[in-house]
Amino acid sequence: GDSVTQTEGLVTVTEGLPVKLNCTYQTTYLTIAFFWYVQYLNEAPQVLLKSSTDNKRTEHQGFHATLHKSSSSFHLQKSSAQLSDSALYYCALSDPNTNKVVFGTGTRLQVLP
Amino acid sequence: DMKVTQMPRYLIKRMGENVLLECGQDMSHETMYWYRQDPGLGLQLIYISYDVDSNSEGDIPKGYRVSRKKREHFSLILDSAKTNQTSVYFCASSFGRSYAEQFFGPGTRLTVL
Repeated sequence: GDSVTQTEGLVTVTEGLPVKLNCTYQTTYLTIAFFWYVQYLNEAPQVLLKSSTDNKRTEHQGFHATLHKSSSSFHLQKSSAQLSDSALYYCALSDPNTNKVVFGTGTRLQVLP
Repeated sequence: DMKVTQMPRYLIKRMGENVLLECGQDMSHETMYWYRQDPGLGLQLIYISYDVDSNSEGDIPKGYRVSRKKREHFSLILDSAKTNQTSVYFCASSFGRSYAEQFFGPGTRLTVL
């Protein structure tokens, strides 16, 4: 079945420095949608980015991600982390046949002053 | 205003009691979901509903059942709750396409003593 792997449980970065959250996946589908969701403390998850196009950069709120099917990756990056970026980030893929969404285990981003 | 609501927001039950969690959405989304969120495990899909009376098991359906009699309303029922069902439960909805993002409710924190 489909799976999403987020290897880091916690990423700590100093404000103003770049940050990268890793996401790799396994799927048998050729056409599939990928998402990054962000969950701020005591709030619900909300979509941050989505993509289904290979090698196309997607940007939102200063974050960007590029789907690379050759390496089965959809890493999330930001050039300059802000204190307000501290949150839990989920990478996810959507099964086109069932509409079920498979989430990674999440990466907590902690931005320090 | 696009919104997913959940009731109650907090609930404490004793082991063996029945639990009803309710979810509503005002976007006429076909697809609705129930997840539980546990530290280190991320979001795990309990059930998915494709429309009224069209429900399908997710990854962890044991101990849960659902009901969807109206498109805008989706209930999660725990018959004889167990202590290991203590968790935060999120409801979500989306349009019936795999590329559609999910909109999450604020969550219900359930404690089973």
